[in-house]
Amino acid sequence: EAGVAQSPRYKIIEKRQSVAFWCNPISGHATLYWYQQILGQGPKLLIQFQNNGVVDDSQLPKDRFSAERLKGVDSTLKIQPAKLEDSAVYLCASSLSGQRYEQYFGPGTRLTVT
Amino acid sequence: GQNIDQPTEMTATEGAIVQINCTYQTSGFNGLFWYQQHAGEAPTFLSYNVLDGLEEKGRFSSFLSRSKGYSYLLLKELQMKDSASYLCAPRGDYKLSFGAGTTVTVRA
Repeated sequence: EAGVAQSPRYKIIEKRQSVAFWCNPISGHATLYWYQQILGQGPKLLIQFQNNGVVDDSQLPKDRFSAERLKGVDSTLKIQPAKLEDSAVYLCASSLSGQRYEQYFGPGTRLTVT
Repeated sequence: GQNIDQPTEMTATEGAIVQINCTYQTSGFNGLFWYQQHAGEAPTFLSYNVLDGLEEKGRFSSFLSRSKGYSYLLLKELQMKDSASYLCAPRGDYKLSFGAGTTVTVRA
């Protein structure tokens, strides 16, 4: 079974530039999550999709971050414009629907904003 | 909101046992997960508890007390490959929240 795919793996940009991350979840997983993990901290949920609908985006900085999952499969997360404090690893995860199901994480995208 | 407290670091020798404690406060409760995260890698699922008591899975066990807002992860017969960060993640009403993680270092 293929895992969660993410690209790119690494990205370096200057502040005020824009960047986009892509995620393809495990086949059949209706729920998709984007997390931000700053060094030394646990992952912080940015947005959760159920199929192509948003379940929770309460911690997404909507003035600069956006995400979509148009066909209910793969997803993109965009930052525009980036700030220095956005430097982090952006993790995508997917799971079956239901609260007891574990999340499977992709390898992440390490973003450095200079 | 969610408050999750776990120790920052623990060190143990190969073959020993280590217990990682986690206390939490959540809005509602729908189970608690433990994840392992090696440096530079993504978290991987270890265990899930939704009822009080001990769940054993090979060398790893996880315990939950819902009334106390408390869980622990027990790692037995430690191996060098167990050196990693261990994340406590209670699920509240709507979402999973992760603690900052406990970095376990296994020494020969």
